Amino acid sequence: NSKVIQTPRYLVKGQGQKAKMRCIPEKGHPVVFWYQQNKNNEFKFLINFQNQEVLQQIDMTEKRFSAECPSNSPCSLEIQSSEAGDSALYLCASTGTRYEQYFGPGTRLTVL
Amino acid sequence: GQQVQQSPASLVLQEGENAELQCNFSTSLNSMQWFYQRPEGSLVSLFYNPSGTKQSGRLTSTTVIKERRSSLHISSSQITDSGTYLCAMEQTGFASALTFGSGTKVIVLP
Repeated sequence: NSKVIQTPRYLVKGQGQKAKMRCIPEKGHPVVFWYQQNKNNEFKFLINFQNQEVLQQIDMTEKRFSAECPSNSPCSLEIQSSEAGDSALYLCASTGTRYEQYFGPGTRLTVL
Repeated sequence: GQQVQQSPASLVLQEGENAELQCNFSTSLNSMQWFYQRPEGSLVSLFYNPSGTKQSGRLTSTTVIKERRSSLHISSSQITDSGTYLCAMEQTGFASALTFGSGTKVIVLP
């Protein structure tokens, strides 16, 4: 099904620490999305890129998160200073010309 | 308010029974995507369905834009169908973020 790769699968950080996760989209997919699924199983869109440019991001992402999708390197999402409320499953998705989004396996972040 | 309402929240089936999962959306829609979420969290895309009916094996998805609804039908359920099913709507087209429903947890008993 999906060929989106996410690493690491699990990440444990202390409060205040940086947490960084990576995503390799499917080959040929120019658009990458990051979503957060919280402990209540609610999904929140965080940010998306087309090629290397940010298309949209929510306010939370602007303030405490940094993300990039450099050319010829994995995309990344980094939380600058982790908080307990950031504990969640972070999902990366990519899409090509068909609009359908394909998801990676996710990075499960636990902030102690 | 919530733009995508998914029902039921949970469903218990005897193996072999059929089931219908529903999503209703309150705003204009470009397309609907249905996913199966594995217990460890990964999402498997089942259907990308802008309108009409699509079938894949025992699964059928129907999206009716005018009625603002999409459904997922599981026929002859199997134990391996157990898990969480999610609908997600795309409002504006290419590169637009998905808005997810709250999910339906399906348990299939032998």
